[in-house]
Amino acid sequence: GAVVSQHPSRVICKSGTSVKIECRSLDFQATTMFWYRQFPKKSLMLMATSNEGSKATYEQGVEKDKFLINHASLTLSTLTVTSAHPEDSSFYICSARERASQGEQYFGPGTRLTVT
Amino acid sequence: GESVGLHLPTLSVQEGDNSIINCAYSNSASDYFIWYKQESGKGPQFIIDIRSNMDKRQGQRVTVLLNKTVKHLSLQIAATQPGDSAVYFCAENTGGGGNKLTFGTGTQLKVEL
Repeated sequence: GAVVSQHPSRVICKSGTSVKIECRSLDFQATTMFWYRQFPKKSLMLMATSNEGSKATYEQGVEKDKFLINHASLTLSTLTVTSAHPEDSSFYICSARERASQGEQYFGPGTRLTVT
Repeated sequence: GESVGLHLPTLSVQEGDNSIINCAYSNSASDYFIWYKQESGKGPQFIIDIRSNMDKRQGQRVTVLLNKTVKHLSLQIAATQPGDSAVYFCAENTGGGGNKLTFGTGTQLKVEL
């Protein structure tokens, strides 16, 4: 149980284009989903917290107009990187917390984004 | 062997030995701590957690120790196996309504045959 999927697993896009990443909780309802970014050999940095049915809360320094987050249902959150640039290339990981959970987050497998 | 996770250090151990991975957390208000294992190109995998009202918790081959006085967390892996090779992160939950996790810098564990 508690499986989180991400799609796509890898994506290559050209500068200036937008790319959408999906995060799904497959066997539980997630009232809260989190989006992280990870550079090579670095730790996970929280980008934003996504609550179902409300606007996402972004961490300091993360541009909300560049990283659009939508959490339209209890099993799906999407992250759209708009007008992508090479410096947006990174490993993006989502996590989801069960409705009744007091803290544990279940992580997706990550999405490798490369912007050329 | 032991490590202090500040700059993604590497801990090399022989197969069958015990491993100790250390983590210094930052927020004295944190009430929940988790250890994650991350293999290359994959998302973090939950290993074990501990709440702030405990100082020790054991799982299968793993033990987490919490010292709130010095804000230190450690993960002990018994009889380390090649499949344990990965990067290990500690994470702290500062509690409150947000329940956000703050991750440590990580430690690379390499198991030598």
